[in-house]
Amino acid sequence: GQNIDQPTEMTATEGAIVQINCTYQTSGFNGLFWYQQHAGEAPTFLSYNVLDGLEEKGRFSSFLSRSKGYSYLLLKELQMKDSASYLCAVRDLTPDNNDMRFGAGTRLTVKP
Amino acid sequence: SAVISQKPSRDICQRGTSLTIQCQVDSQVTMMFWYRQQPGQSLTLIATANQGSEATYESGFVIDKFPISRPNLTFSTLTVSNMSPEDSSIYLCSVDDREGSYTFGSGTRLTVV
Repeated sequence: GQNIDQPTEMTATEGAIVQINCTYQTSGFNGLFWYQQHAGEAPTFLSYNVLDGLEEKGRFSSFLSRSKGYSYLLLKELQMKDSASYLCAVRDLTPDNNDMRFGAGTRLTVKP
Repeated sequence: SAVISQKPSRDICQRGTSLTIQCQVDSQVTMMFWYRQQPGQSLTLIATANQGSEATYESGFVIDKFPISRPNLTFSTLTVSNMSPEDSSIYLCSVDDREGSYTFGSGTRLTVV
């Protein structure tokens, strides 16, 4: 089975940096994903880590430590439009299970 | 990435009726996934649909309540049967895109009254 834990809510100021943490336990591992979901919309893919280390994509970076079962999403130069839920998801890799499971999401509010 | 057309986008249904949700993908995909997202919560996997075989359901979801069809590699339907207010939720289909992440349909917002 899987446990995926992330904070429920966070608040940050426009222009600042925010780090959203995620811890997970899984029987098999085939990648950790971050998605952004605005209210009333479907999730959209942000980033993907399968090896340890930092992946950078513009204002967004994601870090993975497989030994610690830990990831974070770093958002820089926050903008008001970054107010959304951020979902941490882990992909299993077991013989009969290759699907993706999601954490409960972190609702980020960016304030002026 | 794949492009998914999901419909209906929303519906209000009477208790005891059924609703069928359709997802059409612009490319052939082996697996399609159906998720439910209840208000204020994250996504819960309902089932995985492979073409040519029966869908695989997750714990807590059964075929009689959520029958799934997968007639070809670009299309799938999920039916929510004998609905009750507890079934009010957003239902999303998704596919595994070539980069390893998932692409989602736009979702179906279901309200059962």
